[in-house]
Amino acid sequence: DIQMTQSPSSLSASVGDRVTVTCQASQDITNSLNWYQQKPGKAPNLLIYDASNLETGVPSRFSGSGSGTDFTFTISSLQPEDIATYYCQQYNNLPFTFGPGTKVDIK
Amino acid sequence: QVQLQESGPGLVRPSETLSLTCTVSRGSISGFFWSWIRQSPGKGLEWIGYVHYTGSASYNPSLKSRVTISVDMSKDHFSLRLTSVTSADTAVYYCARVNRTGGFYRFDNWGQGTLVTVSS
Repeated sequence: DIQMTQSPSSLSASVGDRVTVTCQASQDITNSLNWYQQKPGKAPNLLIYDASNLETGVPSRFSGSGSGTDFTFTISSLQPEDIATYYCQQYNNLPFTFGPGTKVDIK
Repeated sequence: QVQLQESGPGLVRPSETLSLTCTVSRGSISGFFWSWIRQSPGKGLEWIGYVHYTGSASYNPSLKSRVTISVDMSKDHFSLRLTSVTSADTAVYYCARVNRTGGFYRFDNWGQGTLVTVSS
């Protein structure tokens, strides 16, 4: 299985700050990476697919980049409604696997 | 937008079979893959498997010997069966649509999730 790691595991930032989360795959997954947002008690919600494509309806302050084994997820200006846990997920190989998550809250 | 709703028992006895159904509404099962994913505090998000609307399925090797995912197009639902459950199978179970548009696999619609507890 492809192992996904994320850092940091949690972070606190102020409203308006730029927030960056990194995700690393245990082997080359080309661009086969998605990012999800999960709020407490809710299902995950797709934000970014294929490493850098914004899902329809998702605010443009969210973005993704990277390829191969190293990926980055960015919130350009953190908003109060962005408080959530963010997960990366690879689909290059079965089984699909998820990162352990990065919890983002407001400082 | 398509909606998914999980249903099934919230409590299952150890060694018995966990059975869940996901009903798809405001959209068609046809043309897509449909997946089950679970989330437990100890293991995070874990992909269980998916089924194509034609009935072909793929499973996570870690669960393959115990899991079956099937689809019933006439009822617009797909189902999960997990046999010989233990406390390690206690989790929130989500059903999700797998969108393959453009060749990119992503879980673009999810059910709200259902907590299944394995306990005697």
